[in-house]
Amino acid sequence: ETGVTQSPTHLIKTRGQQVTLRCSSQSGHNTVSWYQQALGQGPQFIFQYYREEENGRGNFPPRFSGLQFPNYSSELNVNALELDDSALYLCASSFGGPVISPLHFGNGTRLTVT
Amino acid sequence: QQPVQSPQAVILREGEDAVINCSSSKALYSVHWYRQKHGEAPVFLMILLKGGEQKGHEKISASFNEKKQQSSLYLTASQLSYSGTYFCGTESRAAGNKLTFGGGTRVLVKP
Repeated sequence: ETGVTQSPTHLIKTRGQQVTLRCSSQSGHNTVSWYQQALGQGPQFIFQYYREEENGRGNFPPRFSGLQFPNYSSELNVNALELDDSALYLCASSFGGPVISPLHFGNGTRLTVT
Repeated sequence: QQPVQSPQAVILREGEDAVINCSSSKALYSVHWYRQKHGEAPVFLMILLKGGEQKGHEKISASFNEKKQQSSLYLTASQLSYSGTYFCGTESRAAGNKLTFGGGTRVLVKP
């Protein structure tokens, strides 16, 4: 069973730039959720994709966007980066259903915006 | 609105017990518990569905009081490996298809 993998592990960007983060889901999972985790805080929900469609969104501006591909891998894109976007970005895959099934997290991408 | 966890931090000696609480202002459908060690991804511990059901994982158990919209995680006879930050994640109809996490409880187990 292949776990959730994220790339890159670390990234440094300048304010105003754009960034793309990638995530490969665990095999058999059809749902991907993205979370932002600031230092010392709990993960904050960005959005979720189920079978390539956005299926829920948190309180994040439209410059945060995503994609899910037919193989259930996913991308998170952030435009016009701001200093406050510096955080750990976590991807979690799960199996969609009437009840949220356990989330399997990747190790995250640490984004630093200078 | 995220669930509120208490305490924010706890220090234990190996073998001691602790309770972590998670409270929500919304009617809950399920509660998840995760543990995150420093520099690592959160790891799923257990899920509780409405009905006051108790679940267990090693010597870690949890309860869910649907009427009070609260869940508690019990660390029994703690081991050094229990150190980490514990997060509850809540699912509610009002919040839609997402898990909303609390701010976390840092647990340090000392020898």
